[in-house]
Amino acid sequence: DSGVTQTPKHLITATGQRVTLRCSPRSGDLSVYWYQQSLDQGLQFLIQYYNGEERAKGNILERFSAQQFPDLHSELNLSSLELGDSALYFCASSVVPGVADTQYFGPGTRLTVL
Amino acid sequence: TQLLEQSPQFLSIQEGENLTVYCNSSSVFSSLQWYRQEPGEGPVLLVTVVTGGEVKKLKRLTFQFGDARKDSSLHITAAQPGDTGLYLCAGANPVYGGSQGNLIFGKGTKLSVKP
Repeated sequence: DSGVTQTPKHLITATGQRVTLRCSPRSGDLSVYWYQQSLDQGLQFLIQYYNGEERAKGNILERFSAQQFPDLHSELNLSSLELGDSALYFCASSVVPGVADTQYFGPGTRLTVL
Repeated sequence: TQLLEQSPQFLSIQEGENLTVYCNSSSVFSSLQWYRQEPGEGPVLLVTVVTGGEVKKLKRLTFQFGDARKDSSLHITAAQPGDTGLYLCAGANPVYGGSQGNLIFGKGTKLSVKP
């Protein structure tokens, strides 16, 4: 158990819909990262937050957005869903941003878009 | 184009055999990390290598970072069924936000060790 929690574990929805994925970082971690894992692209960095502020963006679509709240939990919002958005979405946390700090990954949310 | 190429993509071996997994890039990374991921779970960090030429050992696992910091390898000695999983390499590249901890992942090597 990494200490990072993600809900829900599974999500099945239809094209065009909007969903929200939730992540609670490890106690004491200020930085949260979101990743998408698909069969063809592998694990790809989406976006990073540090203490409530957006720190960096990766390959995140405009239909996707995220935020980190004062209690440090984070939400990833996916809208106008397409079939290709079906993937595993992981949240990771670390104490501070930086390569020297270990990222701890949550168990992921499996999103299926039908 | 994948910035980090892992090979082989799949590897199926018998218990007791040795194996090496490779992670290659044409770009320089300030550090490389190796993760292991089991089905239904998130990746778990095994090791971080930061110095060119560095070798780190973790029980039966040996990790090496290339001198030019563009490649890395993972060698497992006397593989066991418990080593089965997806092995991912990930790098921090300054051009891609690596200084912030943002990681670029390879697609992974799926290892199966049969008893």
